Amino acid sequence: DGGITQSPKYLFRKEGQNVTLSCEQNLNHDAMYWYRQDPGQGLRLIYYSQIVNDFQKGDIAEGYSVSREKKESFPLTVTSAQKNPTAFYLCASRGGEGAYNEQFFGPGTRLTVL
Amino acid sequence: LAKTTQPISMDSYEGQEVNITCSHNNIATNDYITWYQQFPSQGPRFIIQGYKTKVTNEVASLFIPADRKSSTLSLPRVSLSDTAVYYCLVGDPTNFGNEKLTFGTGTRLTIIP
Repeated sequence: DGGITQSPKYLFRKEGQNVTLSCEQNLNHDAMYWYRQDPGQGLRLIYYSQIVNDFQKGDIAEGYSVSREKKESFPLTVTSAQKNPTAFYLCASRGGEGAYNEQFFGPGTRLTVL
Repeated sequence: LAKTTQPISMDSYEGQEVNITCSHNNIATNDYITWYQQFPSQGPRFIIQGYKTKVTNEVASLFIPADRKSSTLSLPRVSLSDTAVYYCLVGDPTNFGNEKLTFGTGTRLTIIP
């Protein structure tokens, strides 16, 4: 089945540690995105990538880093510089021809800093 | 990017038709209007997209007036499973440089038995 997977579903981190969230898609989509969602809030864009080896900062990129070495993968690293990382993280992808604005989302990773 | 404004929350009874309106006064000529639905602890999922007049699919209808400064998502005969947050987005689907799609706070729809 085609889709987007994120792992892990739940993640706990101690303060001062870096942690990497995985996002993989087999939809052959060029564009991939990372969003952060806080309780009762909408989604805020962290980073996005339109093509392999290229990515752009979103609205809240500070304290986060990404890489896009493969079309299928867009991992997000939450660094110790992110002061309030506890949140729900969503990865999405978007295809080309015929896909318009439709983004396909993964199931999310809930990160808790202890 | 065009800014959107939606009601924060709405309540409705089962079996009713629900209409959620989104304002987008600064919509650009090439922008489309897209609606997503999000259940708790899940990623949003696409519901419907349109450019003008009316679009209908198996789950919803989208009404867009001639000036395109607003749009209305219509959910026919809602059930408890329609309780979710609904987001309205505006953007140009052909502009791949316009990737900073912004989700607002959405409309929290609660269906009452």
